[in-house]
Amino acid sequence: GAVVSQHPSRVICKSGTSVKIECRSLDFQATTMFWYRQFPKKSLMLMATSNEGSKATYEQGVEKDKFLINHASLTLSTLTVTSAHPEDSSFYICSARDRRGGSYNEQFFGPGTRLTVL
Amino acid sequence: GENVEQHPSTLSVQEGDSAVIKCTYSDSASNYFPWYKQELGKRPQLIIDIRSNVGEKKDQRIAVTLNKTAKHFSLHITETQPEDSAVYFCAASMSGGFQKLVFGTGTRLLVSP
Repeated sequence: GAVVSQHPSRVICKSGTSVKIECRSLDFQATTMFWYRQFPKKSLMLMATSNEGSKATYEQGVEKDKFLINHASLTLSTLTVTSAHPEDSSFYICSARDRRGGSYNEQFFGPGTRLTVL
Repeated sequence: GENVEQHPSTLSVQEGDSAVIKCTYSDSASNYFPWYKQELGKRPQLIIDIRSNVGEKKDQRIAVTLNKTAKHFSLHITETQPEDSAVYFCAASMSGGFQKLVFGTGTRLLVSP
């Protein structure tokens, strides 16, 4: 149980295009999903918290107009990188909390999406 | 906000030795402390976690200790094996709100046969 998927696993795009990444909780409902960015040999940096049915909460320094987040259902959140540039190339990972978790904090991570912008 | 520091950044041990990774946190309201193992290009995998009402937790070769007063927690791996080689991250979060995880900077563990 508690499986999170991400699609695509890898994407290469040209500079200036937009890329959408999907994060799905496969066997549980997630009211809260998180989007992280990880540069090579670095830690996970939280970009935003995605809540079903409401606007995402972005961390300081993250451009909300560039990284569009939509949490349309209890099992799906999407991250769209708009007008991507080479500096947006990174490993993007989502995680989800089971809505039944209450004060139980465990997050379940997706397999990540490697974005390369040429 | 919460800040988590992790040491060492790299750790090399011989197979069979023990490995210890330490983390400190800044916010006394944090009450959940997971440890993740991440292999290259893969998702972080939860290996053990501890809550603030517990001082120590063990799972086979892995143990975590928590000192709330000093605000630090440690991961202990005994009888290390080459397959333990990976990057390990500690994290901290608190109940309430979104329960965001704040990650440490990571420790690259290399276990040599």
